Amino acid sequence: GDSVTQMEGPVTLSEEAFLTINCTYTATGYPSLFWYVQYPGEGLQLLLKATKADDKGSNKGFEATYRKETTSFHLEKGSVQVSDSAVYFCALSVSGSARQLTFGSGTQLTVLP
Amino acid sequence: KAGVTQTPRYLIKTRGQQVTLSCSPISGHRSVSWYQQTPGQGLQFLFEYFSETQRNKGNFPGRFSGRQFSNSRSEMNVSTLELGDSALYLCASTSGGGSQETQYFGPGTRLLVL
Repeated sequence: GDSVTQMEGPVTLSEEAFLTINCTYTATGYPSLFWYVQYPGEGLQLLLKATKADDKGSNKGFEATYRKETTSFHLEKGSVQVSDSAVYFCALSVSGSARQLTFGSGTQLTVLP
Repeated sequence: KAGVTQTPRYLIKTRGQQVTLSCSPISGHRSVSWYQQTPGQGLQFLFEYFSETQRNKGNFPGRFSGRQFSNSRSEMNVSTLELGDSALYLCASTSGGGSQETQYFGPGTRLLVL
């Protein structure tokens, strides 16, 4: 079945450091890929998405590129801020069924001032 | 546009009771999906409703059920609660079509079963 594997956390960085959170996937079809972020005590917020190979999703300084050859969708940010501290989830949906997302286990990011 | 709303935000129940959670999707969205989030199992898909019909169901026991009304609002019900049902229950509504479909999540209902 479809699955998403995320880099184990937690990740602790200093403010202005470079962030990478690895995400790889297994899917039978041609999935759309998503990154969601969850702040403490809140639901999930869509951070960015990509719907086909070589697409780059970007938002709020975060970027991720859909790499079909490596089945990856790594999240990157050039300079993190304390306000980026949250849990990040990588997710996929097989074409036509985005209403059923398969999530990775989440990566806790803490950014220290 | 208002986002996805869920009520109540917090709930405490005892084993054996039943509970009903409510979700109002973003205006115009007709699809509502439900997820359970626990520290051990992570985020797991429960079911999805579209135009009052359940279209997909995850691997959960029959104690978990749902429905959707003509105005797209949805409820999920858990009967005979168990301690393991303690979780954050998230509702999401879907915009777009085909590969452009995107889910937008509500803040969740945190259920504690004692």
